[in-house]
Amino acid sequence: GQNIDQPTEMTATEGAIVQINCTYQTSGFNGLFWYQQHAGEAPTFLSYNVLDGLEEKGRFSSFLSRSKGYSYLLLKELQMKDSASYLCAVLDSNYQLIWGAGTKLIIKP
Amino acid sequence: GAGVSQSPRYKVAKRGQDVALRCDPISGHVSLFWYQQALGQGPEFLTYFQNEAQLDKSGLPSDRFFAERPEGSVSTLKIQRTQQEDSAVYLCASTRQGKHTDTQYFGPGTRLTVL
Repeated sequence: GQNIDQPTEMTATEGAIVQINCTYQTSGFNGLFWYQQHAGEAPTFLSYNVLDGLEEKGRFSSFLSRSKGYSYLLLKELQMKDSASYLCAVLDSNYQLIWGAGTKLIIKP
Repeated sequence: GAGVSQSPRYKVAKRGQDVALRCDPISGHVSLFWYQQALGQGPEFLTYFQNEAQLDKSGLPSDRFFAERPEGSVSTLKIQRTQQEDSAVYLCASTRQGKHTDTQYFGPGTRLTVL
């Protein structure tokens, strides 16, 4: 079966750095997305990786290793507004997005 | 409008009732997706349209679920004879082109509660 694993919840301190990991086992791979979802709101796009390596976008970076079936989202200089769920999603061989359950990130002052 | 809109935002239905959920994608967006999201879970794919054509409906959980997009813009997800297990947030997303790698822009969702 297809599986996306992420930690259920993480806690970090304002101003710090946090890394949210995602491992996947899917039938085929056509890219990996990270989305941010605040409680009761729609998911919003953060990043898309299809090649191995690190993609940096401001305070957020995303890393992919296809051989290991692994990605992480790195958030720097954490702000209180970063408190949200972070969803990892993989585009499989049928071009369907397979979603993880999300990691709830709690930022403490 | 500027983004994807969905209506109603909240719907309470009695078991056995039929419901219709509406999605207005971003104007001009070619592709439209419906997802079901249970509390504390990621979205689960239901169905996908490219313009008015429903290209993939493999995620619809039963024949009680039906979706249409007759003019290639607004879409309606209909659930017949609702059951308690249908309670979830139903998310709609659209993409500018027909490529699956395009960024999906999500609406705020409709929270359906079946009593």
